[in-house]
Formats: sequence, C-alpha cells, structure tokens
Amino acid sequence: QSALTQPASVSGSPGQSITISCAGNYDDIGTYDYVSWYQQHPGKAPKLMIYEVSHRPSGVSVRFSGSKSGNVASLTILGLQADDEADYFCCSYTPTDRLVVFGAGTKVTVL
Amino acid sequence: QVQLQESGPGLVKPSQTLSLTCSVSGNSVDRGPYYWSWVRQAAGKGLQYLGRVYTGGRTDYNPSFRGRVTISLDTTKNQFSLSLRSVTAADTAMYFCVKYIDSWDAFETWGPGTMVAVS
Repeated sequence: QSALTQPASVSGSPGQSITISCAGNYDDIGTYDYVSWYQQHPGKAPKLMIYEVSHRPSGVSVRFSGSKSGNVASLTILGLQADDEADYFCCSYTPTDRLVVFGAGTKVTVL
Repeated sequence: QVQLQESGPGLVKPSQTLSLTCSVSGNSVDRGPYYWSWVRQAAGKGLQYLGRVYTGGRTDYNPSFRGRVTISLDTTKNQFSLSLRSVTAADTAMYFCVKYIDSWDAFETWGPGTMVAVS
C-alpha cells in the first residue's frame, strides 16, 4: 500500500477557509470510507478531528469538515483561527490487507 | 474518560530490543471493540503506524516492521506493550500508544508519547 500524498503546507488569513487534500489510490481512499484526520500542535500528541471521511467526534469544532471525491479526501477548515495553526495528517485503513497508512502531513499556517 | 500513558527506557543500544508499555485507565483492554496500537514519529517527520492488538488478542502489523515487532496485551495489569527488535538509529522516535476504535476506523485517544533514542 502506497503512502498518502498531502501538500507540505497550506496557509490562510484569519477568517478565511482552507482545504487540505489527501490523495490515495483506488484500493484505499477510492474504495473505502476509512479516512481520518488528525491535528497535531508542536510537542503534543495528535488529536482526532474527523473519522470515516466526514464524521466529527464530540468536542471537535463544526468549523472542521471532511469529504471525499474519487481517490482524494479533503479536510476543510472554515473561519481560520490562530489556534488552527498546526500539522494535519490524513490516515487511511484498508480492510483487505488490514493496513493503516498516514499521509506525510500538512503544515497549516495562519498568516 | 480513557487515558493512556507510555513508559519505558529512553535510550536503547543498537541491535537491542526496544520495549515499551502503555498503561490504560478508564477502559479495560479486554473490552472492545477496540484495537490497542502503537504509532511513532521521528523528529520533524510524519506519523508511522507500527501495529495493533485487538481486545481478543489478534494482532496486525505494518509490513515494514514485520519480523521485528510484537504487540501484546496484559489484561491483569490493564496494559499493552511494544517490542521492537534489532533497533538502529532509524528507530529513534517519539512513540505513542493509541486506542483505535474499530467502528470508527480511527485512532481516538492518544498517549502523550515517550521519546526513545537508539544510540
């Protein structure tokens, strides 16, 4: 299973919206909805933001949303805030080989 | 509320075995449906999945580590552990233990992480 491809960095001004892409292939993101997203602030453990493409765990702001089209999953952050500045990782699970793979991460900068 | 805490040596010599334990509170490791997992992160790098153990004891491992990694449960202590054999400097990383929810297909709760250096 190949790694997931994310842009190295995305930036936006406070209040703007940004979208982070996560490109997989037909055998993972293209076939299964087992995509999750994690936010990681420096020196901290990752935090689950989205599971199964578009579901938000309790306590996660509604400003965060997930979607998928074909082999590409996306995380959108509405109304960018200073605290959104962090690294974001996508993750995909493939049940056929029971393998979990992460993207390399995207650094979000709030200008 | 579930909490996880990693523990183990912070320094391991090359070719030896890295052994870490994750203590779980707020959830029994033998009650599911959860996977108890290990993920690591080298400094300035991304996340790397090592493997997981199901509440019933079944294990899945990242093929990149197969043959070197073992993850197991200790239900008497409500812990799970990681054993990584024949380590090299490339295994230097922050190691996180994580609760993976099967019905969400996601890593829900993370420990704070423990840094392990191979030198």
